[in-house]
Amino acid sequence: QVTLKESGPALVKPTQTLSLTCTFSGFSLSTSGMRVSWIRQPPGKALEWLARIDWDDTKFYSTSLKTRLTISKDTSKNQVVLTMTNVGPVDTASYYCARSTAFSGEYDYWGRGMLVTVSS
Amino acid sequence: QSALTQPASVSGSPGQSITISCTGTSNDVGAYIYVSWYQQHPGEVPKLIIYDVSDRPSGVSNRFSGSKSGNTASLTISGLQAEDEADYYCSSYTSSKTWVFGGGTKVTVL
Repeated sequence: QVTLKESGPALVKPTQTLSLTCTFSGFSLSTSGMRVSWIRQPPGKALEWLARIDWDDTKFYSTSLKTRLTISKDTSKNQVVLTMTNVGPVDTASYYCARSTAFSGEYDYWGRGMLVTVSS
Repeated sequence: QSALTQPASVSGSPGQSITISCTGTSNDVGAYIYVSWYQQHPGEVPKLIIYDVSDRPSGVSNRFSGSKSGNTASLTISGLQAEDEADYYCSSYTSSKTWVFGGGTKVTVL
């Protein structure tokens, strides 16, 4: 059974660095074709794709956020970490990690998401 | 990368068919078959209902169908049911090697 779960701080101050961890089970990111993405959704607003890391360590980043984002994986721990620097109130959102098994990127399994609030 | 354009809301009566459009550019929707659709009920996680423009994952009702013409993809829900009331999002791969979502469409069953 495939599961994903996001973890990290629920409250972050402006200008700080946010670090989120996606811990998954039921698949391995060392298996060819596996990919994990981060997607966020501000309260009441649309989904926004952030970043993706593939089994071969290929990384993709949102054009508008790539200077602030870093995605990495720890295959031995079945974890993917997303860091976002210099956060602001506009970064308040539910952050989801999701799995893909094809380059096309459709997400077949999602974590439950976690709300991160940026406020002083 | 600008979000794909979707109508804010679409409504229909039970049993009817509705179509949600998703308009992009020749750098995303128009260039690739990598268009997918997600259904999100309030407070829930998005669920994949269409991928590669028109393919349905196992277990998804065949009342959901997808298509594409030029820079516009479409999701059709036939035989509309109360349980279809939700937000729907399209997504596409882009020539910038990124992915982009649409602004979302709220479907109301009258």
